[in-house]
Amino acid sequence: AQSVAQPEDQVNVAEGNPLTVKCTYSVSGNPYLFWYVQYPNRGLQFLLKYITGDNLVKGSYGFEAEFNKSQTSFHLKKPSALVSDSALYFCAVRDNRGSTLGRLYFGRGTQLTVWP
Amino acid sequence: EAQVTQNPRYLITVTGKKLTVTCSQNMNHEYMSWYRQDPGLGLRQIYYSMNVEVTDKGDVPEGYKVSRKEKRNFPLILESPSPNQTSLYFCASSPPRTGTGDQPQHFGDGTRLSIL
Repeated sequence: AQSVAQPEDQVNVAEGNPLTVKCTYSVSGNPYLFWYVQYPNRGLQFLLKYITGDNLVKGSYGFEAEFNKSQTSFHLKKPSALVSDSALYFCAVRDNRGSTLGRLYFGRGTQLTVWP
Repeated sequence: EAQVTQNPRYLITVTGKKLTVTCSQNMNHEYMSWYRQDPGLGLRQIYYSMNVEVTDKGDVPEGYKVSRKEKRNFPLILESPSPNQTSLYFCASSPPRTGTGDQPQHFGDGTRLSIL
């Protein structure tokens, strides 16, 4: 079965410091991986995805993520955090097999707080 | 503007009173899905639809119904709501897979349901 784990419920970082939000996955076959961000009272917004190719993927708002097949991880990173990055972040993996083709499986989310 | 629109955004109702949450997308997407978001549990899929007249159960379908009579609409129906269905609900849509790529899902802004 497909699954995603976000081991940290909360991540706190000072503005200007680098940030990392962790994600590990379990999937049969090649993974399609996504990061979404949720601001208060809003739906999820797409940040970036890994389908194939370079292991370092760049996305919106200066975020990037590194795909590591051997560690089955897809950690979200940003070199210099902003207070406005404070939000709830979700990692997701997409099912690409058979009858459940297209389904997204989400992690539990990580609340990122950036302190000024 | 490309968007997924959910209505209502907020609803307080009582146990047993049938309700419908509407979802409409203007992007001509084939795939649509409903999720519920609960603290500590992330997003869990309720139902999804690969295309018109094609629907299937997600991880937590009990107590819910859906229909997909038109491509743009995917209503979520609670025939006899109960307090354990108090949650934040999201509708999402996406185009189908194309080649080796994959398309992110677009989310509505959510519907907060309180069942008393």
